[in-house]
Amino acid sequence: AQSVSQHNHHVILSEAASLELGCNYSYGGTVNLFWYVQYPGQHLQLLLKYFSGDPLVKGIKGFEAEFIKSKFSFNLRKPSVQWSDTAEYFCAVHPGTASKLTFGTGTRLQVTL
Amino acid sequence: DVKVTQSSRYLVKRTGEKVFLECVQDMDHENMFWYRQDPGLGLRLIYFSYDVKMKEKGDIPEGYSVSREKKERFSLILESASTNQTSMYLCASSLESPQEETQYFGPGTRLLVL
Repeated sequence: AQSVSQHNHHVILSEAASLELGCNYSYGGTVNLFWYVQYPGQHLQLLLKYFSGDPLVKGIKGFEAEFIKSKFSFNLRKPSVQWSDTAEYFCAVHPGTASKLTFGTGTRLQVTL
Repeated sequence: DVKVTQSSRYLVKRTGEKVFLECVQDMDHENMFWYRQDPGLGLRLIYFSYDVKMKEKGDIPEGYSVSREKKERFSLILESASTNQTSMYLCASSLESPQEETQYFGPGTRLLVL
């Protein structure tokens, strides 16, 4: 069965620091990859997604993620975080064939002023 | 904008009660999903549905059932609630399309079983 690993469970950064959140998955075939974000008290929402093409994808609010097929990774990055980025971030994987989405356990990001 | 609504934001029930959680989406999506979200465990899929009257088990279906009588509505049923079902329940929907599996989530229902 496929699995998704997010190794950072809780990350604390100061404003303007750079961010990288790790995501690794265990499926060997074609995959679609997602990062979702849940701001405090809000719905889970899509941050960015990769289906095909350029492995560097850009999402909302200055986030980007790079798909490295050889490493089975899809790490999320932001050059300079803001206090408003405080949220929980979830990586998710969907096989290319129709099937369910598998989520990682999430990373709680806390940005301090 | 896609809108997914859930019938309650907070629920308190007693052990053994039958619990219904309702989810409605307004974008004519074929797929609907029920997850539970627990700290340190992320989102785990309970059940999903690709069409009316169709359901498939997810990763943790035990103790739950679902109903999809209309395309826009997907209900999660706890036949006899137990304390280990205290959790946040999230509903989601998506289009049936190989190029658009983005799931849209509702606000969640926080269920406490006493």
